[in-house]
Amino acid sequence: AQSVTQPDIHITVSEGASLELRCNYSYGATPYLFWYVQSPGQGLQLLLKYFSGDTLVQGIKGFEAEFKRSQSSFNLRKPSVHWSDAAEYFCAVANQAGTALIFGKGTTLSVSS
Amino acid sequence: DAMVIQNPRYQVTQFGKPVTLSCSQTLNHNVMYWYQQKSSQAPKLLFHYYDKDFNNEADTPDNFQSRRPNTSFCFLDIRSPGLGDAAMYLCATSRVYSSADTQYFGPGTRLTVL
Repeated sequence: AQSVTQPDIHITVSEGASLELRCNYSYGATPYLFWYVQSPGQGLQLLLKYFSGDTLVQGIKGFEAEFKRSQSSFNLRKPSVHWSDAAEYFCAVANQAGTALIFGKGTTLSVSS
Repeated sequence: DAMVIQNPRYQVTQFGKPVTLSCSQTLNHNVMYWYQQKSSQAPKLLFHYYDKDFNNEADTPDNFQSRRPNTSFCFLDIRSPGLGDAAMYLCATSRVYSSADTQYFGPGTRLTVL
């Protein structure tokens, strides 16, 4: 069965520093992969998604993610974090039928000044 | 500008007292989803509607039901809430029934069961 693991429950990064959030997935074939962000009091917003092709995917708000099949990973990165990036980040993989998302438990990002 | 609206944002109910959560969308999307997100856990799909066709996830308890009277509205009914049903309930929509299509989420309704 497909699954998603986000090893870091909580990360604190200084404003202006770089960020990497880890995501590992379990899936037999080429996965559909997603990163969503949930700001306090808001719904989930799609940051970026990967289906095929270039393994480095650009998203909104300056985020990017790299698909590494050999490591079963889809880590999210941002070169310089802003205080407004403080939120919860969810990695997700589509199920085999391609009809539903399976989410990881999320990583909470705090930004210190 | 709101695209997926959920009401109320916070709902308190008593153990065993039926409760209904509401979701509406201005996107005219065909698919509407309900997710349950318990504290520190991943969102978990309960069911979805593709147009008027209802699809229940295999492990969704019978206590949870849904109605979609028209394209814009979808309701989540919890017939007899238990303490374990306290969670954030997220509504989402997509244009087509495919995980390749972007899902748009509402802000959620936080349900407290006393």
